[in-house]
Amino acid sequence: DQQVKQNSPSLSVQEGRISILNCDYTNSMFDYFLWYKKYPAEGPTFLISISSIKDKNEDGRFTVFLNKSAKHLSLHIVPSQPGDSAVYFCAASGSGGGADGLTFGKGTHLIIQP
Amino acid sequence: NAGVMQNPRHLVRRRGQEARLRCSPMKGHSHVYWYRQLPEEGLKFMVYLQKENIIDESGMPKERFSAEFPKEGPSILRIQQVVRGDSAAYFCASSFTGSSMDTIYFGEGSWLTVV
Repeated sequence: DQQVKQNSPSLSVQEGRISILNCDYTNSMFDYFLWYKKYPAEGPTFLISISSIKDKNEDGRFTVFLNKSAKHLSLHIVPSQPGDSAVYFCAASGSGGGADGLTFGKGTHLIIQP
Repeated sequence: NAGVMQNPRHLVRRRGQEARLRCSPMKGHSHVYWYRQLPEEGLKFMVYLQKENIIDESGMPKERFSAEFPKEGPSILRIQQVVRGDSAAYFCASSFTGSSMDTIYFGEGSWLTVV
């Protein structure tokens, strides 16, 4: 039973355009959401996060939007750059004090085309 | 380097041998998490430890897997009598607090191959 779903295994976007990565979750106890970026043979790198009390968080070229009623979040990258090509993981945690760790989606492979 | 340190980065074991993966958390972090990534899958939570305590091991297989985080030294993930299905990337992460709103930082991973 997948509690965090990233339904697009891959996404191809032209350099300079906007990349939109989507994530859906089913567990209403999740109250903190994170995006991680991962290059091959490396560990995930934290990108940006959002608390359930907010609906938007912005950091430079990265913006995360949260729609609690739809249990949906998205990561916007604008403008997209070649170095953004990587696998992006959506992750969620609940209000259990962190003891459950993070629940990850399966990832979306973003490919930025020149 | 003040990041999460894992070693070895790559480990090859024959079926039936033991694998030991080590993790030193970021400086100042006392909460350690182990995750496993199987091919074509996302990361799956295995275990959450604080110094000398296992807080949550709900993601650990019931047999052959164990983890510790002693008072001194790194956290160890131990896999006994490895099988081919244990081949995966094992990631350690750490956080400053155990709060669900605390960012968890990952190490570079340890790739286990069982032959």
